[in-house]
Amino acid sequence: RKEVEQDPGPFNVPEGATVAFNCTYSNSASQSFFWYRQDCRKEPKLLMSVYSSGNEDGRFTAQLNRASQYISLLIRDSKLSDSATYLCVARRAAGNKLTFGGGTRVLVKP
Amino acid sequence: GAGVSQSPSNKVTEKGKDVELRCDPISGHTALYWYRQSLGQGLEFLIYFQGNSAPDKSGLPSDRFSAERTGGSVSTLTIQRTQQEDSAVYLCASSLASSGNTEAFFGQGTRLTVV
Repeated sequence: RKEVEQDPGPFNVPEGATVAFNCTYSNSASQSFFWYRQDCRKEPKLLMSVYSSGNEDGRFTAQLNRASQYISLLIRDSKLSDSATYLCVARRAAGNKLTFGGGTRVLVKP
Repeated sequence: GAGVSQSPSNKVTEKGKDVELRCDPISGHTALYWYRQSLGQGLEFLIYFQGNSAPDKSGLPSDRFSAERTGGSVSTLTIQRTQQEDSAVYLCASSLASSGNTEAFFGQGTRLTVV
């Protein structure tokens, strides 16, 4: 089993709709979590960190559920420019290895 | 420079040749990571540096792969006797601290093609 798992998608989303997807992690020692965005043939870029209490950044909301060992990302009022692959990342408390999930592809269509 | 810099941006090499990939992290960043990404795939962890030491090199695929970091700054990933399956984008990232919610910043990658 992979340490960080994501539904690869694609999630086909009508423009203006809401889309949400999860990421599960198997290592309970994971301490910090992030969502990165990767556009085709580009490097990953940080979208947002994920805090224990959940956090929101504009149209994006991230949640962490430690009991069930998953994090989620919700995108409201989807824009065409939100089309990308979203990468879930977990960092362990001991050491500093950042483990990436395989990514969830989102396609926002007019 | 302001960001993570990787060179070369593209490299085509013949099977069996050695290649060196370079990463210049953001100034002051103590943590440095190497990942590999094949077409349409996720990021595969290779090695992580904290300062000049590598606490985790568990992701290096074989003994043909090695990496070093000097002066707590520049890192070099070396692949000896390249094989076609080594073809991928090699991404380097750096971050300020070794824990917490400190984000990692990526370079634009080196696209390696082994022919």
